[in-house]
Parts: sequence; C-alpha cells; structure tokens
Amino acid sequence: DIQMTQSPSSVSASVGDRVTITCRASQGITNWLAWYQQKPGKAPKFLIYAASSLQAGVPSRFSGSGSGTDFTLTISSLQPEDFATYYCQQANSFPLTFGGGTKVELK
Amino acid sequence: EVQLVESGGGLVQPGRSLRLSCAASGFTFDDYAMHWVRQTPGKGLEWVSGLSWNSVSLGYAESVKGRFTISRDNAKNSLYLHMNSLRPEDTALYYCAKESSRRAARTIDYWGQGTLVTVSS
Repeated sequence: DIQMTQSPSSVSASVGDRVTITCRASQGITNWLAWYQQKPGKAPKFLIYAASSLQAGVPSRFSGSGSGTDFTLTISSLQPEDFATYYCQQANSFPLTFGGGTKVELK
Repeated sequence: EVQLVESGGGLVQPGRSLRLSCAASGFTFDDYAMHWVRQTPGKGLEWVSGLSWNSVSLGYAESVKGRFTISRDNAKNSLYLHMNSLRPEDTALYYCAKESSRRAARTIDYWGQGTLVTVSS
C-alpha cells in the first residue's frame, strides 16, 4: 500500500496568512493526488485533483503543486472559512490512502 | 443536487454483523464507481472498499478483507456494505462516497453525512 505522510499535523495562522501543507507519498504517484477540506461535524469537501486542478467552485486562493512523491497545498490568503482540517489522498492505485491530516487553526 | 444518504449504523456487539445502505440521488448512479470510507472519532480517513459502476470490486482495505462485502443495486440507486465479524476497531463513522469521474479518477467528489457504527459489548 502507498503511505501518505502530511506535515505539519497542525498549523496556527491568522487571517490573510499564506499557508502551505506538505504531503509525501511512499512511492511515486505521478500526479495522482487529491486534496480535501473537512470542517468539524461535516463530510470532507473535494478541493483539488490531479495534484493541481481546482474542483469547480473552489476559490482560487487554493492551489496545489507537485508530482512524483512530494506535493503541496497552498492557501494564498487564509480566510475565516478556511480554518479546517486538510487531507491528501493518493489516487494512483487501490487501496486508496489518505494522509493523516493537517489542522489549520487560528493563531 | 447530488445526495447520498447512509443508514444502518448503530451499536453492535463484537462478532456480530451489520449492513449499511446508501441511497443515492441527483446523478446517474450506474455511471459511477462508489466507495465506502470510514473515519474514527477524532482521527483520519480510511478507505474501506470500492465498487465499479458494473459491480467489479475495486478492492478492500486490509483491515476489513474477508469480513466486509460491498455491493450495489443500480435499479435501486443503492450501495451497500455488509459487515461481518465486527471488531471494536471497526467503530467509526462510515461515509458513502461517489467517484468524481466516469473514468477511473479514484477521487471522491461527493460524500454522505455518514452513519455511525459502534462495536462494543
């Protein structure tokens, strides 16, 4: 199975800050990577697919990059509604696997 | 509007069985692969199993292999998860989830709200 490792596990930031989250795959997955946002008590929301393609309706302050084993999710200017937990997921092969999550908290 | 509504969760004793159901609407159900993903309280996400549009298995997590069976009924727009020999570590919120593309994208664009399974004596 492909292991996905996210860092940091949590980050404290203020509104307007630039936030970057890293995801590393245990083996190369080309660009088969997705990102999700989850708020407390809610189901995950699909943000990014193919490492860098924004899902329809997702604000442009979200961006993704990377290929192979190393990927990043960047929020260019953090908004109040962005405080949440973010997960990466490899879509290269089954079983699908998720990173452990990164909680973005208010500083 | 896509809707996925899970049911069938509850409190069950270790070793017993449970069947989860997911009623889908708002899209052409038999065009898409479907998945079950679970989340333990306060913890991360674990893919459990997936099934293609025409009921070809996409596999199971190692932790449930041989105990859980995924199935679907396209005539009823429904997805199921049959869970046998339940263990305390199967306690989780179980999400029904829709694959994002008719082609094998292996990503999920819609999730239900989940049904909670608690395995305890």
